[in-house]
Amino acid sequence: QQKVQQSPESLIVPEGGMASLNCTSSDRNVDYFWWYRQHSGKSPKMLMSIFSNGEKEEGRFTVHLNKASLHTSLHIRDSQPSDSALYLCAARRSNNRIFFGDGTQLVVKP
Amino acid sequence: EAAVTQSPRNKVTVTGGNVTLSCRQTNSHNYMYWYRQDTGHGLRLIHYSYGAGNLQIGDVPDGYKATRTTQEDFFLLLELASPSQTSLYFCASSAQGNYAEQFFGPGTRLTVL
Repeated sequence: QQKVQQSPESLIVPEGGMASLNCTSSDRNVDYFWWYRQHSGKSPKMLMSIFSNGEKEEGRFTVHLNKASLHTSLHIRDSQPSDSALYLCAARRSNNRIFFGDGTQLVVKP
Repeated sequence: EAAVTQSPRNKVTVTGGNVTLSCRQTNSHNYMYWYRQDTGHGLRLIHYSYGAGNLQIGDVPDGYKATRTTQEDFFLLLELASPSQTSLYFCASSAQGNYAEQFFGPGTRLTVL
């Protein structure tokens, strides 16, 4: 059973546009989320993390978390072709186990 | 920045063959992980460890053994490789602590013919 669901599977946005990615956990024991970015042929690297309700902004990236629904979203404004990558959501369970979703493939078209 | 290295970077073997994938981290991290990544499946945890001599079973452990010989070194063993184990394998490490970021190695692409 997949504990972390991501949507959409793939997303195409124009350069300069806004990309919105979603992630939900089906496990009520999850208490922390990460977003990782993986460029083609590279390894995943952490982008942002969040564990409190609300939002967190770092440059063009904003992460939201709703703990009641265990839903997090990543928003990328002014998207650039260099943002094209696989975005992976990870969730931590209270017993310290971490689960990754299957990812959203983002393509930013010039 | 954290340093995690993997070897070999590419490996081709035949069905029934013996394969060992190596991972070394130089960050003094306690936790180390082995994942496989297949198209459409994100990262799936095979085994992990929180210290030398410790081994924990992940979500897809069948057909894999692992051993953590030192704090730095974590090995993944496929003793009877099968084509279903053709995949991209990542090693990662993280500091002890509930909210620690994982640092990934460059990956090993394994092909089982």
